[in-house]
Amino acid sequence: AQTVTQSQPEMSVQEAETVTLSCTYDTSENNYYLFWYKQPPSRQMILVIRQEAYKQQNATENRFSVNFQKAAKSFSLKISDSQLGDTAMYFCARPPQGGSEKLVFGKGTKLTVNP
Amino acid sequence: NAGVTQTPKFQVLKTGQSMTLQCAQDMNHEYMSWYRQDPGMGLRLIHYSVGAGITDQGEVPNGYNVSRSTTEDFPLRLLSAAPSQTSVYFCASSRQGSNEKLFFGSGTQLSVL
Repeated sequence: AQTVTQSQPEMSVQEAETVTLSCTYDTSENNYYLFWYKQPPSRQMILVIRQEAYKQQNATENRFSVNFQKAAKSFSLKISDSQLGDTAMYFCARPPQGGSEKLVFGKGTKLTVNP
Repeated sequence: NAGVTQTPKFQVLKTGQSMTLQCAQDMNHEYMSWYRQDPGMGLRLIHYSVGAGITDQGEVPNGYNVSRSTTEDFPLRLLSAAPSQTSVYFCASSRQGSNEKLFFGSGTQLSVL
């Protein structure tokens, strides 16, 4: 089975500090996509960042960036200058090998930003 | 700017009842999908569609039916509700496939007693 593993069920960080959420996955493909989605207490799922595996450069979106280690099959999310509004569940996701229609999600990391 | 609209937001059913969760998008997206979210399990794909008239099963399809008669609508039917189907259900769409950004509805909290 295709797996996406988030090893940190819960994390907390102080406001304005930096936090890194980890994600690992399995694949034998060379080109694929990876995603981080955010689910705040409102329950609305929102795309945070998308990475294309063939691109060497790590994706960034304002305070959010990824550390993509292709050989290690690692895709961590770094949140800089954490804000109270970053409190949410964060899900790592990727389409499974050989099929782009079925997005597979990790079990999520619950991040709490403390004032 | 409606995006993806799911109804209802909350529903309580008795075991054995049937119901349909509605999902509509106004972005002319070809790809639509249904997920269920359970505590500690993340989101799991139930069914998906890559265009009108085309549907396929996801990871957990048993007990659910879908159809896609129009590009805009992708209803999810529970044929005979079971307590194991208590969950939060999300509809999502994208322009083409799950390699692109998914737009999610606001979810339906379903309880089956």
